Amino acid sequence: DQQVKQNSPSLSVQEGRISILNCDYTNSMFDYFLWYKKYPAEGPTFLISISSIKDKNEDGRFTVFLNKSAKHLSLHIVPSQPGDSAVYFCAASARYGGATNKLIFGTGTLLAVQP
Amino acid sequence: DTEVTQTPKHLVMGMTNKKSLKCEQHMGHRAMYWYKQKAKKPPELMFVYSYEKLSINESVPSRFSPECPNSSLLNLHLHALQPEDSALYLCASSQGSHMGGPYGYTFGSGTRLTVV
Repeated sequence: DQQVKQNSPSLSVQEGRISILNCDYTNSMFDYFLWYKKYPAEGPTFLISISSIKDKNEDGRFTVFLNKSAKHLSLHIVPSQPGDSAVYFCAASARYGGATNKLIFGTGTLLAVQP
Repeated sequence: DTEVTQTPKHLVMGMTNKKSLKCEQHMGHRAMYWYKQKAKKPPELMFVYSYEKLSINESVPSRFSPECPNSSLLNLHLHALQPEDSALYLCASSQGSHMGGPYGYTFGSGTRLTVV
């Protein structure tokens, strides 16, 4: 059962435009949501997170929006740059046994930013 | 130092071999993790160590044996693996296993394992 889903396996945008990556989840007990970026042959790199009690968090060109009623979050990148081309993973943090968190990852979206 | 270092970067092993993957961090993080990632799939959690004690084992087969000798090191011992175990093995760390949420994990670059 996939608790975190990214339904778009790929996305292509023009440089300078907005990139919107979407993520849906099923477990209402997740306490944080995170976005990671991954280049080939490298580990995922943390980008931005949002608490489940907030609906927006912004960091430079990256903004994450959370819609709890829809169990949906999105990552907006504006303006998009060719260096943003990578696989983006949505992840959700879940309590496990009271004292330990674990991250559950979505399937990823390959973003290609065209010059 | 803000990195998680994994060695080796690539490993090819036979099904009867014994090998070990190593992970090291010097950020003072007290939680360390092993994840497995197959092609076009998300990373899947295998083990969590919190303060050098194993706190989560996600029903991983016993041919994978984790070890945390100290707070900076995490090993994954491999024995009698199958070809389907071929994957990218990622190590990660966080400030505390209860604080993985807002700060995320710091991941290493991974070990690309091929079992022949």
